[in-house]
Amino acid sequence: ETGVTQTPRHLVMGMTNKKSLKCEQHLGHNAMYWYKQSAKKPLELMFVYSLEERVENNSVPSRFSPECPNSSHLFLHLHTLQPEDSALYLCASSPGTDTQYFGPGTRLTVL
Amino acid sequence: GQQVMQIPQYQHVQEGEDFTTYCNSSTTLSNIQWYKQRPGGHPVFLIQLVKSGEVKKQKRLTFQFGEAKKNSSLHITATQTTDVGTYFCAGRGVQTTDSWGKLQFGAGTQVVVTP
Repeated sequence: ETGVTQTPRHLVMGMTNKKSLKCEQHLGHNAMYWYKQSAKKPLELMFVYSLEERVENNSVPSRFSPECPNSSHLFLHLHTLQPEDSALYLCASSPGTDTQYFGPGTRLTVL
Repeated sequence: GQQVMQIPQYQHVQEGEDFTTYCNSSTTLSNIQWYKQRPGGHPVFLIQLVKSGEVKKQKRLTFQFGEAKKNSSLHITATQTTDVGTYFCAGRGVQTTDSWGKLQFGAGTQVVVTP
């Protein structure tokens, strides 16, 4: 289960900080995703990239900014976050089907 | 819009017992997937169902896709402590024109197993 890696695994940041989450997939997939997982809520799809092009942005606030420099790497740049943004952020990749291969996630706490 | 609902939200099972968790969609689905997330872990893909009425088995797990392709179930027989975790279903609606990432996840069924 090391096909999709995420760093850091845990992050604590203040509301004025700028940080970035990194995801790397070693599966040769051509699509990558960012999800937000909050307690007691369904997984929320944030962004979808296909062949390095953003194909979906599900009304995510601009304080979250994705970047996909190539098909193996995906970043999520964070700035001026709110405490309600604290959650588990999951990266996933897929080979062009619906099957999602998730990374271990970054546990984010915003103070 | 499409919604995917899972029931129950919480399932407390005695080791050795059977149980079933259900996934219901407000719209017809082109496919449905099931994932398992262990406590402190991340969702792991279990299976995908595509055909109306399809039934697939993985050892003690039986997955079924409804005839109308609007609901699905996961049945676990002889529950073991290793079955603990949250089981999610995810479905893609047939009306979706965008071919990427329109999966809707249910909120999950959290399973606790007591020895």
